Amino acid sequence: DTEVTQTPKHLVMGMTNKKSLKCEQHMGHRAMYWYKQKAKKPPELMFVYSYEKLSINESVPSRFSPECPNSSLLNLHLHALQPEDSALYLCASSQDVTVPYEQYFGPGTRLTVT
Amino acid sequence: LAKTTQPISMDSYEGQEVNITCSHNNIATNDYITWYQQFPSQGPRFIIQGYKTKVTNEVASLFIPADRKSSTLSLPRVSLSDTAVYYCLVSDYKLSFGAGTTVTVRA
Repeated sequence: DTEVTQTPKHLVMGMTNKKSLKCEQHMGHRAMYWYKQKAKKPPELMFVYSYEKLSINESVPSRFSPECPNSSLLNLHLHALQPEDSALYLCASSQDVTVPYEQYFGPGTRLTVT
Repeated sequence: LAKTTQPISMDSYEGQEVNITCSHNNIATNDYITWYQQFPSQGPRFIIQGYKTKVTNEVASLFIPADRKSSTLSLPRVSLSDTAVYYCLVSDYKLSFGAGTTVTVRA
């Protein structure tokens, strides 16, 4: 199984809402990532978890809060988002962060903030 | 992180070979060169990775000259389904996506 799953596929939320994005993999990977992708732009790295510990935060605003409850699961908690946060949020995983490595991406969650 | 430069877009026809060259003048000793493919509204998909010389797999070849300041992804005999954005990445740890090359394959 080389699949990364993400739920929900689509999410519409107001600026005062609290919601969560979920990502799951069962490949035994020990590194997991969140990316943000705006339309017609490349993915931008947000967070990296390595062995369930946050190892990289790319200066992401605190209204995005990642969580890695176990090695298979990665969440992104959203609170008080702005309309400019509307984007495709991609989750990825890799065996670990030792170079070279291949990242497996999920299909993404399309987020719209109203 | 080494910065990469790729053509913004390329057009091709079915059955032709497509070669996309990526420039990475500041590549570091520990860096690997990796290419990803992305279709609209989907996550990127790993295509191929290399460190030097030539690497080939079932979908593409990657040519890396000795100075490693550039690399060329070769897609043999493309089909309509190869229309996508192709990203060249150079990284020793974090993946930093450049602008990518939009490849359009026409019938």
